[in-house]
Amino acid sequence: NAGVTQTPKFRVLKTGQSMTLLCAQDMNHEYMYWYRQDPGMGLRLIHYSVGEGTTAKGEVPDGYNVSRLKKQNFLLGLESAAPSQTSVYFCATRLAGVDYEQYFGPGTRLTVT
Amino acid sequence: TQLLEQSPQFLSIQEGENLTVYCNSSSVFSSLQWYRQEPGEGPVLLVTVVTGGEVKKLKRLTFQFGDARKDSSLHITAAQPGDTGLYLCAGARGSNYKLTFGKGTLLTVNP
Repeated sequence: NAGVTQTPKFRVLKTGQSMTLLCAQDMNHEYMYWYRQDPGMGLRLIHYSVGEGTTAKGEVPDGYNVSRLKKQNFLLGLESAAPSQTSVYFCATRLAGVDYEQYFGPGTRLTVT
Repeated sequence: TQLLEQSPQFLSIQEGENLTVYCNSSSVFSSLQWYRQEPGEGPVLLVTVVTGGEVKKLKRLTFQFGDARKDSSLHITAAQPGDTGLYLCAGARGSNYKLTFGKGTLLTVNP
């Protein structure tokens, strides 16, 4: 089992360019999340999904879009990248129900110049 | 507004020392989790506490959930270099779909 995988691991974008980050899981988890982690800011929730075809906004959704067309995949899109979106992005998954742990992917380091 | 405040932000100690890190809030949480994150990797769950006053032990790590479910602590006995990492607390409220993370405590244990 691969668990939670993220593609790509690293990316450098110029301001205004677009890209999509892919999160894939093979654990059959219902819930999926996208976070960004910045120095001194902890993990902040961007968007999340509680099932295939459903998405919801988190704490910092502006400038990002998401889609969950298949249960195992959660895509995070940046339509017009800005330097403020330079960050490390983590995907996480979780079983439905209370108090289950979140399983995190290895992260994607994105730099926007 | 930071819902979960962690302290200290940084901690550097020698191997064999004991330490405690704290996670405090003015809000009540239905459960609280502690994660450890090593450089270049995603966080990994250490423990979940759900009952006020609950104490859980994981080898040399002791976790406590406050009676009012607003705060938690992590105590490490006889720290080892392998304990080095970023320790994050995360609280669940309401629907439990989402976690609110603290900013973390960066622990360095020197040999």
